Amino acid sequence: ETGVTQTPRHLVMGMTNKKSLKCEQHLGHNAMYWYKQSAKKPLELMFVYSLEERVENNSVPSRFSPECPNSSHLFLHLHTLQPEDSALYLCASSQERGGQGASTQYFGPGTRLLVL
Amino acid sequence: AQKITQTQPGMFVQEKEAVTLDCTYDTSDPSYGLFWYKQPSSGEMIFLIYQGSYDQQNATEGRYSLNFQKARKSANLVISASQLGDSAMYFCAMREGTLLNRGSTLGRLYFGRGTQLTVWP
Repeated sequence: ETGVTQTPRHLVMGMTNKKSLKCEQHLGHNAMYWYKQSAKKPLELMFVYSLEERVENNSVPSRFSPECPNSSHLFLHLHTLQPEDSALYLCASSQERGGQGASTQYFGPGTRLLVL
Repeated sequence: AQKITQTQPGMFVQEKEAVTLDCTYDTSDPSYGLFWYKQPSSGEMIFLIYQGSYDQQNATEGRYSLNFQKARKSANLVISASQLGDSAMYFCAMREGTLLNRGSTLGRLYFGRGTQLTVWP
């Protein structure tokens, strides 16, 4: 496998279910991200992990819980979601370095989530 | 104020023609990067091209080029010789500073609302 992979690609869940989204990057990067893409809205950054430490939680409800056990894996645990949480969830990774310059983020194929 | 503005919700171009997708940005940070991504209907966000704020020349990647006009804060994407497979949503994005400045919003990637490009035969 190369690049950034995400599983599952599609997920349908009820509001009382618990599920997890998985992201794996094979690029040797040191930072990983979760984004939410809803219809007719710009991409929203949810969480950022740098060197396995969460550096940003962008006011995301607690029903979303991220986990980054190592630099290659990122999870998003879902619990008691609402229908408005239905969206495309994208994972990305980048190689962060000090100094000038902005690092490129590489995205996975996303998980299309439908909450019933 | 919006960090990234894409004023064209939709664009149409005939196959083999060139097309320009507009993007303007807003930042006071002297160090930033500009990106273009392509998102086909499958959903994957595909990186196309990058322009650093200190780069003297416009970035090019195959049929993609970035028309970087720093004084106007403009970073338009030019696709030459359009192909049917170019039909997709295109997003302009900007990143300020570096992620290693912990506890700040530096290093975040700001996206525009996108432009839906349709290439017709």
